[in-house]
Amino acid sequence: NAGVTQTPKFRVLKTGQSMTLLCAQDMNHEYMYWYRQDPGMGLRLIHYSVGEGTTAKGEVPDGYNVSRLKKQNFLLGLESAAPSQTSVYFCASHKGPVGTEAFFGQGTRLTVV
Amino acid sequence: AQSVAQPEDQVNVAEGNPLTVKCTYSVSGNPYLFWYVQYPNRGLQFLLKYITGDNLVKGSYGFEAEFNKSQTSFHLKKPSALVSDSALYFCAVRDINTDKLIFGTGTRLQVFP
Repeated sequence: NAGVTQTPKFRVLKTGQSMTLLCAQDMNHEYMYWYRQDPGMGLRLIHYSVGEGTTAKGEVPDGYNVSRLKKQNFLLGLESAAPSQTSVYFCASHKGPVGTEAFFGQGTRLTVV
Repeated sequence: AQSVAQPEDQVNVAEGNPLTVKCTYSVSGNPYLFWYVQYPNRGLQFLLKYITGDNLVKGSYGFEAEFNKSQTSFHLKKPSALVSDSALYFCAVRDINTDKLIFGTGTRLQVFP
């Protein structure tokens, strides 16, 4: 039981390049989230999904797109990377609404130069 | 919109002393509150949650949290701190209207031997 797995763990991009971060969970969770973590700013919600085929915007969605074609996978895309997107990205998932706790991946450290 | 605030960037405490990490919340309706811990270069791990019931909630690693409705607070506590408790702690709230999971900015706990 791997839990929540993020791929890749590290990446360096040049400004303007594109990439996709993959989040995979094997717990049959309905809810999945993408956050970015920056010093002094905590975790900020980028996009989230409440089920297969659904996505919604979080607090900082600009410059990112997501897809949830399969229940177990939640993809985060950067179409044209900018230095402001240098951050650590975390994926999380949980089973149901309201009171269930979330499980987090190990994070992806992205540097845009 | 639901939100949480962590007023302290850092808390320092001597090993063996009690510790408190503060969190206040702003919600409409019943609050669904969580505490998570992050060790260096790791994802977040769930500590405890308040959904309903007793105001004192017990969680992992000897941590507990006190829910105070009148003060809109959900402070994390531990009777006797360990050096190994040194980490980054996040308070979070579930927005039941939007299904978002919103985090505070985090508090770094430093326990000195």
